Amino acid sequence: GIQVEQSPPDLILQEGANSTLRCNFSDSVNNLQWFHQNPWGQLINLFYIPSGTKQNGRLSATTVATERYSLLYISSSQTTDSGVYFCAVIIQGAQKLVFGQGTRLTINP
Amino acid sequence: DTEVTQTPKHLVMGMTNKKSLKCEQHMGHRAMYWYKQKAKKPPELMFVYSYEKLSINESVPSRFSPECPNSSLLNLHLHALQPEDSALYLCASSQGTGKATQYFGPGTRLLVL
Repeated sequence: GIQVEQSPPDLILQEGANSTLRCNFSDSVNNLQWFHQNPWGQLINLFYIPSGTKQNGRLSATTVATERYSLLYISSSQTTDSGVYFCAVIIQGAQKLVFGQGTRLTINP
Repeated sequence: DTEVTQTPKHLVMGMTNKKSLKCEQHMGHRAMYWYKQKAKKPPELMFVYSYEKLSINESVPSRFSPECPNSSLLNLHLHALQPEDSALYLCASSQGTGKATQYFGPGTRLLVL
């Protein structure tokens, strides 16, 4: 099956710092989503981005489908950005959303 | 409105109990999903319903029984669970399967004693 690898596994930053999270995947995909899971377990949609670049406030994402990776950028981090960030993909022709292991982000005040 | 609701938020049950988890969406989505998430792990797909028909069962034990009464509702019936079934159970929905964005509910935290 498809492999989804996220890096780094853990990231600890001070408030105000910028960060880049990476997601590598092993097959062609027609669905790629970034989620933020808050401490209560809610998975919050950040981006649906199988290709291209999108921005939403302090967050932006880029997926280079031909090279099978996606990047999530967080600028001017706030303590509320803490949590686990997941990348998840569906390969072409399939229905199953496969998650990476996640990046645990801790923003200290 | 991109909301998926789940009840209950928390559930404690014994190994001989029968209980049900409920999920509801009013976005007109035709695909609904159940995921299981253990602590410090990513969510894993259990079932997919497309147009109210079961399209994927990821080899889930029969003590978990899904049901889709209509296009807005998804249930997960639980019977004779084991302590290792304790987890966060997440429901999701999407316009269709494959290319569509999946939206997740807040989850039900299940503890099996």
